[in-house]
Parts: sequence; structure tokens; C-alpha cells
Amino acid sequence: EADIYQTPRYLVIGTGKKITLECSQTMGHDKMYWYQQDPGMELHLIHYSYGVNSTEKGDLSSESTVSRIRTEHFPLTLESARPSHTSQYLCASRDSGLPPSGNTIYFGEGSWLTVV
Amino acid sequence: AQTVTQSQPEMSVQEAETVTLSCTYDTSESDYYLFWYKQPPSRQMILVIRQEAYKQQNATENRFSVNFQKAAKSFSLKISDSQLGDAAMYFCAFTLNNAGNMLTFGGGTRLMVKP
Repeated sequence: EADIYQTPRYLVIGTGKKITLECSQTMGHDKMYWYQQDPGMELHLIHYSYGVNSTEKGDLSSESTVSRIRTEHFPLTLESARPSHTSQYLCASRDSGLPPSGNTIYFGEGSWLTVV
Repeated sequence: AQTVTQSQPEMSVQEAETVTLSCTYDTSESDYYLFWYKQPPSRQMILVIRQEAYKQQNATENRFSVNFQKAAKSFSLKISDSQLGDAAMYFCAFTLNNAGNMLTFGGGTRLMVKP
């Protein structure tokens, strides 16, 4: 099991509210990712980071923003939540080391967000 | 750009039987990694097995093994002696052996295990 944690696991909020999904990893990985996944569907990359002060947008356009002030922390923020943001958000980090573990991506347990 | 295709949206297997999940990918690169991830309902995505493209030998992890056909760009997962706990979404994934490259996922296969 990888040491990557997401909070909250489940959240129901009202439209227009600001929400931050937390993600932390204790493995010292430089690269971190946020994926969005609707139930039973494929994953879509929405944000990634190569290290501190590095953030990039992924393949799927998202109204969320991220920050990377510390290596271990990669929070995702929605300034004004809408029902269309209802989804599961998965945080991940990547081991850049040598095989056998190198290039493996480890996932957190996910944050289920419902906007009503 | 790399693509990963899982042609079986759903599969079903009888407990204790063997099932094979299909995955094909498309890339012009030669140095890459392939993965199978398991995602149980409302549970964490976990790594099942990984394969380095430079290795000809198929990876195995207990009851899980792969059939890696590099020329055909095929990477199937075989689950032997299926157990009820194997029921989950299975995602095939690809990444180049490149420090900055992303993990590209297939659309997933839902595996049901019948008692």
C-alpha cells in the first residue's frame, strides 16, 4: 500500500461554495496528479505537477485549480462549485526511481464530491 | 499521442475459473511501461501488475499474469482461480519511460465474479 491520503473522502456541498480537496503523500514523490472519474467510467487527468511550484493542466479541462507549495501536498480547489462538478477526484503520485517500483503511479482513496 | 483500448466493458467469470481481460495500446515509442490497476467499488485504485516493455518475460503476481505481445501492442491480464474479491473495475494503463510523461488509461473493464 502506498502512503497517499485524500480528505475529505465524501462531501456534499451547495452550489456556489468553495471547496478544497486535500492530498498528501509521504513518499517524497516529485510528481503528483489529479484525475477526475465519474462512477464506473474512465479516468481523466485534470492537473499535474512535476515538483514544488510546478502545476500544469491535464487533458480534461477543469474549472478547478491546484497548488504545489510543498512536495508532499497537492490540494485541488473549486472556487464556486456547481452540480456539474459532482464526481470522484483521485489524487496520485509517481515513483521516478529505478525498477522494480520506478514509474509506478500510486493512488489515494479518492474524494467523492456531490454538489447540490 | 498514446492510446489504450479495453474492448470489453464487462466480463463475467465463475468463481475458481480463469478469465482474461484484453488491452491494446498504440504508440510509436519502444521504451514504456504497462500496468493493470484494480478499482473495487468505492475503494482505492491499486496496482495489480506491471510490465516493462524491454522485458520479454511476461510478468506474474500470484494468480495474476499478463500476456505481453509487444509487436501486436497487446497486454492482456489473466486471472486464475478467480475469487469473489476479484470483482472490480480493471484499468489497463500505459506510460512512457520518461520522467515527465503521464499515465494513459483505458476505459476499464468491469469484472463480475459469480459464486
